[in-house]
Amino acid sequence: NAGVTQTPKFQVLKTGQSMTLQCAQDMNHEYMSWYRQDPGMGLRLIHYSVGAGITDQGEVPNGYNVSRSTTEDFPLRLLSAAPSQTSVYFCASSYTSFGGETQYFGPGTRLLVL
Amino acid sequence: KQEVTQIPAALSVPEGENLVLNCSFTDSAIYNLQWFRQDPGKGLTSLLLIQSSQREQTSGRLNASLDKSSGRSTLYIAASQPGDSATYLCAPLTQGGSEKLVFGKGTKLTVNP
Repeated sequence: NAGVTQTPKFQVLKTGQSMTLQCAQDMNHEYMSWYRQDPGMGLRLIHYSVGAGITDQGEVPNGYNVSRSTTEDFPLRLLSAAPSQTSVYFCASSYTSFGGETQYFGPGTRLLVL
Repeated sequence: KQEVTQIPAALSVPEGENLVLNCSFTDSAIYNLQWFRQDPGKGLTSLLLIQSSQREQTSGRLNASLDKSSGRSTLYIAASQPGDSATYLCAPLTQGGSEKLVFGKGTKLTVNP
């Protein structure tokens, strides 16, 4: 298994540009989520999904969109990038959203918005 | 709203020392609590998961304890090694309709040879 994969590893955007961060898992996990990690702020939940076709907002959803058309993929879309979205983005997955499930994290995408 | 605090924020110890990392959380209604390790520029790796009904969990030189009623967890690392140098994060999985991991800001551990 490849586990949780994220692309790209690094991206530079100009303010106002849009882009999609890709996340995929091959473990047949129902639960997937996106976090951003900023110095001094820790990891904060952006959006999550408990299964294909079901998504919900986390702590910091503004400026981001998600969709979950398949079990494997959970892309994160930045509609109009802002410097405040400069961060490291992590995708995570687990078999279900509750119970004794270990969360698996991808390697992260570093985003710089100029 | 669940809030997670990790103390200390940074810790530097000589190789071979036993050490304890602390994690406290405000909402005791949790399913479980995970401890993660994060190396610089890398993602998170799950180290231990403790169910809310458990008191502790062990893996090799690592032992994590959980006192749900008091909102505390500790990660004990025995005979520390330079390879243990990393940031350690704790994350309780909170109940309440939309189960979510809430992370502490982590403890940055440096083990000096």
